[in-house]
Amino acid sequence: GENVEQHPSTLSVQEGDSAVIKCTYSDSASNYFPWYKQELGKRPQLIIDIRSNVGEKKDQRIAVTLNKTAKHFSLHITETQPEDSAVYFCATQFSGGYNKLIFGAGTRLAVHP
Amino acid sequence: DTAVSQTPKYLVTQMGNDKSIKCEQNLGHDTMYWYKQDSKKFLKIMFSYNNKELIINETVPNRFSPKSPDKAHLNLHINSLELGDSAVYFCASSQDYQGGYEQYFGPGTRLTVT
Repeated sequence: GENVEQHPSTLSVQEGDSAVIKCTYSDSASNYFPWYKQELGKRPQLIIDIRSNVGEKKDQRIAVTLNKTAKHFSLHITETQPEDSAVYFCATQFSGGYNKLIFGAGTRLAVHP
Repeated sequence: DTAVSQTPKYLVTQMGNDKSIKCEQNLGHDTMYWYKQDSKKFLKIMFSYNNKELIINETVPNRFSPKSPDKAHLNLHINSLELGDSAVYFCASSQDYQGGYEQYFGPGTRLTVT
């Protein structure tokens, strides 16, 4: 069945360092890969997404890379700030038909001042 | 101008009771979802509706019954509540069911069953 593995489960960095979170997926038909950020006690919110026809996408300090052959994608956060502290979820979806988002287990990122 | 809203925010109840959670979106989206987030933060879809029609029904006990009176509303009724139902329940919506669209989440309902 569909499966998304996310690593690491927790990540602690110093302010200004970079953070990288990696996900691997099993369904080769997946073609949409969003990343959600969930602050403590809040709702998950989309921060960046990538589609299978693109290898990399960047939005200010956040970037996502996708390797479809290896079936993995990664979130890169540069120049981390304390407000980046949150749980980050990767997800996959096959776009077409009634298809659901499959979420990874989440990565708790702590950015220390 | 809240996009996706849920009520109540907190729900504390005893085992065996029946409870409902309501969700409304004002984004004009066609598709709505219910997710369950357990104590380990794992997010799993339960149901999805597109234009009031059920399109995704995951392996969920039949004590859980969603209802969509119109495409802007999706409610979740839970019968005979059990301890294991304690979780945060998120409603979400997206423009379309086809996929590849951002899902907008509501603020969540924290359900505690004692």
